[in-house]
Amino acid sequence: GAGVSQSPSNKVTEKGKDVELRCDPISGHTALYWYRQSLGQGLEFLIYFQGNSAPDKSGLPSDRFSAERTGGSVSTLTIQRTQQEDSAVYLCASSLTRGGGSAPYNEQFFGPGTRLTVL
Amino acid sequence: AQSVAQPEDQVNVAEGNPLTVKCTYSVSGNPYLFWYVQYPNRGLQFLLKYITGDNLVKGSYGFEAEFNKSQTSFHLKKPSALVSDSALYFCAAPVSGGYNKLIFGAGTRLAVHP
Repeated sequence: GAGVSQSPSNKVTEKGKDVELRCDPISGHTALYWYRQSLGQGLEFLIYFQGNSAPDKSGLPSDRFSAERTGGSVSTLTIQRTQQEDSAVYLCASSLTRGGGSAPYNEQFFGPGTRLTVL
Repeated sequence: AQSVAQPEDQVNVAEGNPLTVKCTYSVSGNPYLFWYVQYPNRGLQFLLKYITGDNLVKGSYGFEAEFNKSQTSFHLKKPSALVSDSALYFCAAPVSGGYNKLIFGAGTRLAVHP
């Protein structure tokens, strides 16, 4: 079946411009995560969605970053007034809702990422 | 604070030899641990996870991992390495009480030489 897809695969922008990154999770996955992968910082959590709500936004680095999710499916990560330090690969992942019992954590399935370069 | 550590930036191994990629953890409560692999210009692919039960976990592509509570380790292993196993490997754990968001080790680059 279809995996997590992200678009665009590459984005080059000028400092100060706004960018939108899109994620299409696996159908039926109610949990959606955004991570950022950069050379200096490794893999960092940005934001978590359960359905259309974002109960954990603790990883967003500044108020220039925002995200939304609609219809419990597609999510968009928006970076306003981009800075050079925003250059990174932005990864989206989805999973089934956290289960209970003896298997409380479900593996996350990652998309191929969007490589953002801010000039 | 919870953390996951991968002490080796790179591991080199000859094709056909066994490989080990190391991971140690510091988490509160029951440890739940994952291994992911990243091939060039690709997202992360799930390899295996430890939730509970047997300390030896088998996963995709012939990989397995050994959970050791006393050493707080979860090393990834494969009996016979392939050149195609060359990739970046990440150990990860969900943050306790944190909606399953993952914290990752820094990653270990595995290079398998013919």
